[in-house]
Amino acid sequence: GAGVSQSPSNKVTEKGKDVELRCDPISGHTALYWYRQSLGQGLEFLIYFQGNSAPDKSGLPSDRFSAERTGGSVSTLTIQRTQQEDSAVYLCASSLEGQGAGYTFGSGTRLTVV
Amino acid sequence: SQQGEEDPQALSIQEGENATMNCSYKTSINNLQWYRQNSGRGLVHLILIRSNEREKHSGRLRVTLDTSKKSSSLLITASRAADTASYFCATGGSYNKLIFGAGTRLAVHP
Repeated sequence: GAGVSQSPSNKVTEKGKDVELRCDPISGHTALYWYRQSLGQGLEFLIYFQGNSAPDKSGLPSDRFSAERTGGSVSTLTIQRTQQEDSAVYLCASSLEGQGAGYTFGSGTRLTVV
Repeated sequence: SQQGEEDPQALSIQEGENATMNCSYKTSINNLQWYRQNSGRGLVHLILIRSNEREKHSGRLRVTLDTSKKSSSLLITASRAADTASYFCATGGSYNKLIFGAGTRLAVHP
């Protein structure tokens, strides 16, 4: 597609449930990032995929968070046993890494844990 | 910890005035990028300046980079109400994770 697509755009879930957030990057982009942004705050790095290299998972806040990127394209961020503090906007971005280009962001998924 | 730190945290100006936002960072960089965010959703890439560049222009935007001081500034000239947004600097990229600062909230009043 023309841009980075994220789904769902909004998700309300009950505390303790698992959720999956999806990101469709721009075709051919080798780098894919997940960030989290709480209301009025900056972006918190979560995880970074680059080509076939092992992902940089250093930003994942706990073992309840995991992400995968299948076939170097679509990525899924999974949060298990959701907590209220997981409520935030989850943003995905992709880029042609190493080309000195900026990153293209999706519109995000607003997750609310009740 | 965040690599980039913007200041001021918030800036309020009148239409037609210039807006200047600053970003400081801690380690050596390949490039520094500026992004804009409306309404707390997706960010839009504004401009990228490489470590061997000192100044770059794009329309009403002017970015400077001082690697000796590990700082950058974003100048928006002749601001408009539509420029109201949050502005973030980011460092890293080029096979290193991109780290964002906390952002500057700009309000441009008609």
